[in-house]
Amino acid sequence: NAGVTQTPKFQVLKTGQSMTLQCAQDMNHNSMYWYRQDPGMGLRLIYYSASEGTTDKGEVPNGYNVSRLNKREFSLRLESAAPSQTSVYFCASRGGFSSYNEQFFGPGTRLTVL
Amino acid sequence: EDQVTQSPEALRLQEGESSSLNCSYTVSGLRGLFWYRQDPGKGPEFLFTLYSAGEEKEKERLKATLTKKESFLHITAPKPEDSATYLCAVQAGGYGQNFVFGPGTRLSVLP
Repeated sequence: NAGVTQTPKFQVLKTGQSMTLQCAQDMNHNSMYWYRQDPGMGLRLIYYSASEGTTDKGEVPNGYNVSRLNKREFSLRLESAAPSQTSVYFCASRGGFSSYNEQFFGPGTRLTVL
Repeated sequence: EDQVTQSPEALRLQEGESSSLNCSYTVSGLRGLFWYRQDPGKGPEFLFTLYSAGEEKEKERLKATLTKKESFLHITAPKPEDSATYLCAVQAGGYGQNFVFGPGTRLSVLP
């Protein structure tokens, strides 16, 4: 049982390049999330998917797109990377809809945009 | 606007020196307050969920409490392995997927 996995672990891009961050969970969770974490700031929600087939914007969606490929996989795409997108990106998943259900996080992708 | 603040930003303790971390929040309809631990280079790891004022949860040397405006994470007789960043998050009302995280408290426990 791997939990939440993310690829790649590290990535360096040049301004204007595109890339897709991959996330998968094996816990049969309905909800999946993408966050970014910057120094001195809390985790900020980029996009989430409450269930397979649905996606919604979070607090900081500009410059990103997402795809909920199936129940297991949720990808984050940067179409034209900018230095402001240098950050650590975390994927999370959550089972059920109870307020008591916590999120499970992946190990993160450290992205640098030059 | 939903907001979470944490204090102090950083805390250094000697092994065995008990202390508390604070999480203050303003949300429109609290559905849950969560504490996570994050080690360097890793994703956050779940510790506790609190739902209503007066509720308390314990796990080993950690105890979390909740009031209507803040939560405390009490650390009793900490050990060096308790060194980590502790994150607080609230799930607000509305569409139910709105998790707002605080910036965290970086705890260092010295032997």
